[in-house]
Amino acid sequence: GNSVTQMEGPVTLSEEAFLTINCTYTATGYPSLFWYVQYPGEGLQLLLKATKADDKGSNKGFEATYRKETTSFHLEKGSVQVSDSAVYFCALYNNNDMRFGAGTRLTVKP
Amino acid sequence: EAQVTQNPRYLITVTGKKLTVTCSQNMNHEYMSWYRQDPGLGLRQIYYSMNVEVTDKGDVPEGYKVSRKEKRNFPLILESPSPNQTSLYFCASSNFLRGSYEQYFGPGTRLTVT
Repeated sequence: GNSVTQMEGPVTLSEEAFLTINCTYTATGYPSLFWYVQYPGEGLQLLLKATKADDKGSNKGFEATYRKETTSFHLEKGSVQVSDSAVYFCALYNNNDMRFGAGTRLTVKP
Repeated sequence: EAQVTQNPRYLITVTGKKLTVTCSQNMNHEYMSWYRQDPGLGLRQIYYSMNVEVTDKGDVPEGYKVSRKEKRNFPLILESPSPNQTSLYFCASSNFLRGSYEQYFGPGTRLTVT
């Protein structure tokens, strides 16, 4: 079946530090991959997506590359800001099935 | 403004008292879904609907019911709530059938069952 595994948090960084949140998946065929972000007290919102191998999704300075050979979709940002503090979810869609990882809480300190 | 709305946002109830959480979207999406979010477990799908009058179980459907009589509405019904249904609930919609896999989420409903 389909599943998503992402690194456990919480993650605490200083402002301007480099961020990586690891995400790997299990799926047959060619799933679409996503990162969603949840700010405090809000619902999830799409951060970026990639729909085929080697695609790079990017938004607001965040990037993730769809790596089929390693079944990974790691989230990166070169310089985090306090406003990036949130919970980040890796997700996949495959054959009418939507799966989310457990979420990684990021706290950025000034 | 394109949005998914849920009501109520917060609800405290007692075991066994039937309740309904409403969900409505204004984007004409065919696909709608309910999730519950619990610490350490991420989002787990309760039920989903591919279109009007078409619903299907997700991973954790026990204790829940849904209906899809209109395209825009997808209420979640707890006939006899129990404390293990205390959770944060999200409704979402998408244009899956038109090849857009982004889901739009409502703001969440925090339910406490005592």
